[in-house]
Amino acid sequence: GQNIDQPTEMTATEGAIVQINCTYQTSGFNGLFWYQQHAGEAPTFLSYNVLDGLEEKGRFSSFLSRSKGYSYLLLKELQMKDSASYLCATYQGGKLIFGQGTELSVKP
Amino acid sequence: GAGVSQSPRYKVTKRGQDVALRCDPISGHVSLYWYRQALGQGPEFLTYFNYEAQQDKSGLPNDRFSAERPEGSISTLTIQRTEQRDSAMYRCASSLGQGGTDTQYFGPGTRLTVL
Repeated sequence: GQNIDQPTEMTATEGAIVQINCTYQTSGFNGLFWYQQHAGEAPTFLSYNVLDGLEEKGRFSSFLSRSKGYSYLLLKELQMKDSASYLCATYQGGKLIFGQGTELSVKP
Repeated sequence: GAGVSQSPRYKVTKRGQDVALRCDPISGHVSLYWYRQALGQGPEFLTYFNYEAQQDKSGLPNDRFSAERPEGSISTLTIQRTEQRDSAMYRCASSLGQGGTDTQYFGPGTRLTVL
C-alpha cells in the first residue's frame, strides 16, 4: 500500500521562500509528482522526480530522496498568486496516489 | 488547444437515481483516468483506461460504480442507485502515453450532489 504525509497548512510572506515536505511509504515506486490546485480549479502539473536530487524549474524546485521516502517542493520569491493547495503524489502501476495536499497562504 | 472537458459541471440528483458523468480527454491522449476529490483532500484514484481497455478499477468503491470508454476517446462514469455519500467532485484526467509517467492533465470536474 501507499501512505503519503504532508502538512495540512502553511503560511508564508510575499517574497519569501517556503519548503513543503512530503513523506511516503510505498511498496513500489516509479516517481513523485507535485501538482498545484487553486481553490475551485483543477490540479495543474508542477514537477516530476524519478531520480534522487533536485529538479529546478524557475521559481519552483522539487527534491527527491528515494532511500528516505522524502520529497520537498521549494517555492522562491513567493507571490500572492502562489496561494493554493500543493499536492504530492506517488506514481505506481499506472495511477497517481495523492496526499491530502498542503494549503499554502501567502500574506503581504 | 482544448483541454480535458467534463459534463455536466454540476449535477444534483435524488438518492436512488442513476447518474452518468462524461469526460472528453485531450485529443490523441491514450490514457484516461477517473478520480474523486472530497473538499480539502487530494484526488482519490477510481479507475483508468489505456485506449478502450480498462486497466485498473481497484479504486471503484463498490459495484454501483462503473466506467467505460468504448471507442478509446470519450469516457462515461456511471453511478447507479446513488447515495448521499457519493456526493463529491469527480475529476477526469488524460495523458499522452499508456499509463506511464506522462503528465496527467485534469478536467474541471463534475460536482455531484445527492440529496
